[in-house]
Amino acid sequence: GQNIDQPTEMTATEGAIVQINCTYQTSGFNGLFWYQQHAGEAPTFLSYNVLDGLEEKGRFSSFLSRSKGYSYLLLKELQMKDSASYLCAVWDSNYQLIWGAGTKLIIKP
Amino acid sequence: DTGVSQDPRHKITKRGQNVTFRCDPISEHNRLYWYRQTLGQGPEFLTYFQNEAQLEKSRLLSDRFSAERPKGSFSTLEIQRTEQGDSAMYLCASSSLLAGDYNEQFFGPGTRLTVL
Repeated sequence: GQNIDQPTEMTATEGAIVQINCTYQTSGFNGLFWYQQHAGEAPTFLSYNVLDGLEEKGRFSSFLSRSKGYSYLLLKELQMKDSASYLCAVWDSNYQLIWGAGTKLIIKP
Repeated sequence: DTGVSQDPRHKITKRGQNVTFRCDPISEHNRLYWYRQTLGQGPEFLTYFQNEAQLEKSRLLSDRFSAERPKGSFSTLEIQRTEQGDSAMYLCASSSLLAGDYNEQFFGPGTRLTVL
């Protein structure tokens, strides 16, 4: 079967750094996405990785290791507005997005 | 840029009634997706279209669910004989799969369905 695992919830402090991990087992791999979703809103795109390594985009970075079936999203200089759920999704061999359940990130002052 | 729009934003219905939702994708996007999301879960794939052709439908989707995209533009999702378990957020997303592209999906605001 296809499976994507992320922690259910994480807590971090404003101004700090947090790393959200994602492991996956899917039928094929055509890339991994991270989306941000605020409560009651639709997901919005953050990053895409298809090759191993780190992709940096401002305060957010995403890492991929295809051999380990592993990715992480790194958020730096945390702001209160970063409180949201972060969804990991894998584009499988049929070009369908398989979604994790999301990690709820709580930012404390 | 109007983005992806969905209508209605909220729908409350009684068990057994039929409901229909509409999605208007970003105009130049040829792919359109329907997802269902419940609290604390990621989106669950329902079906997707490339232009007017429905290319994939989740095996988990019962026969009470049907979707159309008659002219390759807007799409409708109909649920017949609704059940309380159908209560969820129904999300629509669109993308433009070009050669070398990575198919970023743009989501609409969703339709929240409550079945009483």
